[in-house]
Amino acid sequence: DADVTQTPRNRITKTGKRIMLECSQTKGHDRMYWYRQDPGLGLRLIYYSFDVKDINKGEISDGYSVSRQAQAKFSLSLESAIPNQTALYFCATSGPGQDEAFFGQGTRLTVV
Amino acid sequence: GESVGLHLPTLSVQEGDNSIINCAYSNSASDYFIWYKQESGKGPQFIIDIRSNMDKRQGQRVTVLLNKTVKHLSLQIAATQPGDSAVYFCAVSMDTGRRALTFGSGTRLQVQP
Repeated sequence: DADVTQTPRNRITKTGKRIMLECSQTKGHDRMYWYRQDPGLGLRLIYYSFDVKDINKGEISDGYSVSRQAQAKFSLSLESAIPNQTALYFCATSGPGQDEAFFGQGTRLTVV
Repeated sequence: GESVGLHLPTLSVQEGDNSIINCAYSNSASDYFIWYKQESGKGPQFIIDIRSNMDKRQGQRVTVLLNKTVKHLSLQIAATQPGDSAVYFCAVSMDTGRRALTFGSGTRLQVQP
């Protein structure tokens, strides 16, 4: 089983719909991240959380929100999806005092 | 802030040759550097990392070189194999453990048989 699991793996949604991407981890890490990947732009940080009560905005948080339901779960929501949010989304985790991040398999989101 | 850029979007090499992928970063306060490999349909996977108190680190067939003077990082892959074909990302962070990684845009390595 994967250490960092993202659901769904693929999703097509309509403009204006609310959608939630979920991430769970079995690594016991306290830190979790959501990144977005677009062709030619690498990975850009949306939100990150260093523990359950600590949520921080990343480089491109506008249009997104997150919830850290438990140490092992970190969900990303698009309240009203728009086509330019079509991208590949990655969840990642890291341990205390660690910089290396471990990534999930990604969620491919298409907004039509 | 930090910006990270890779020098070439695509690198094509012959099987068995050595590959060098380069990366530049902007913030001299960056103190942690990491290379990831991303294969099609998968998430990024750790290759090798290095801290700012070192200028070279070796792994299995891979070497990372750090030049803090010019804010440059490189990944060297020895005897490149078809399985090395992927997109390679460098990422940097600072304030060890207190900041998230900032990623470069990636270099696609194509290994020709």
